[in-house]
Amino acid sequence: DIQMTQSPSSLSASVGDRVTITCQASQDISNYLTWYQQKPGKAPKVLIYDASSLEAGVPSRFSGSGSGTDFTFTISSLQPEDVATYYCQQYDNLPRTFGQGTRLEIK
Amino acid sequence: EVQLVESGGGLVQPGGSLRVSCAASGFTFSTYSMNWVRQAPGKGLEWVSYISSGSSTIYYADSVKGRFTISRDNAKNSLYLQMNSLRAEDTAVYYCARDYFDGSGRKRTDHWGQGTLVTVSS
Repeated sequence: DIQMTQSPSSLSASVGDRVTITCQASQDISNYLTWYQQKPGKAPKVLIYDASSLEAGVPSRFSGSGSGTDFTFTISSLQPEDVATYYCQQYDNLPRTFGQGTRLEIK
Repeated sequence: EVQLVESGGGLVQPGGSLRVSCAASGFTFSTYSMNWVRQAPGKGLEWVSYISSGSSTIYYADSVKGRFTISRDNAKNSLYLQMNSLRAEDTAVYYCARDYFDGSGRKRTDHWGQGTLVTVSS
């Protein structure tokens, strides 16, 4: 199985800050990576797919980059509504493994 | 609009069985592969099972292999997960999730239901 190592596990930042989360795959997954946002009590929502493609309707302050084994998710200017837990998931192979999640809070 | 609505969750004793369902609408269900993903209380996401559009290809996570069975009824636009020999560690919100394939690369999950809670406890 492909292991996804996501960091940090939690993050506190101020409104307007640039926020970065990383995800590392245990083997080459090309660009087959999705970033999700999950708010409490809600289902995950796709923000980024194919490592860097923005899902329709998602604000442009969200972006992703990387390929192979190393990936980055960025919020360019943190907004209060971005408080959530963020997950990466690889879909190169089954099982489609997730990162452990990053809980993002406002400082 | 794509809609996935799970049902059938509830409280079940250890060793018991439960079937959860997912009703799909707003798309041609029979042409999409589907997944079950779960989330234990306060924990992260865990992929559980995959079924292809015609049920010819099925995969399970090692943690549920031999105990859970995924199936679908394309005539009824429904996805199912039969869960047997349930354990306390199976307690979770169970989500159904649709795959999307644009004809190249890999299938990816693009829509999720709201989830149904399964609690395994005596």
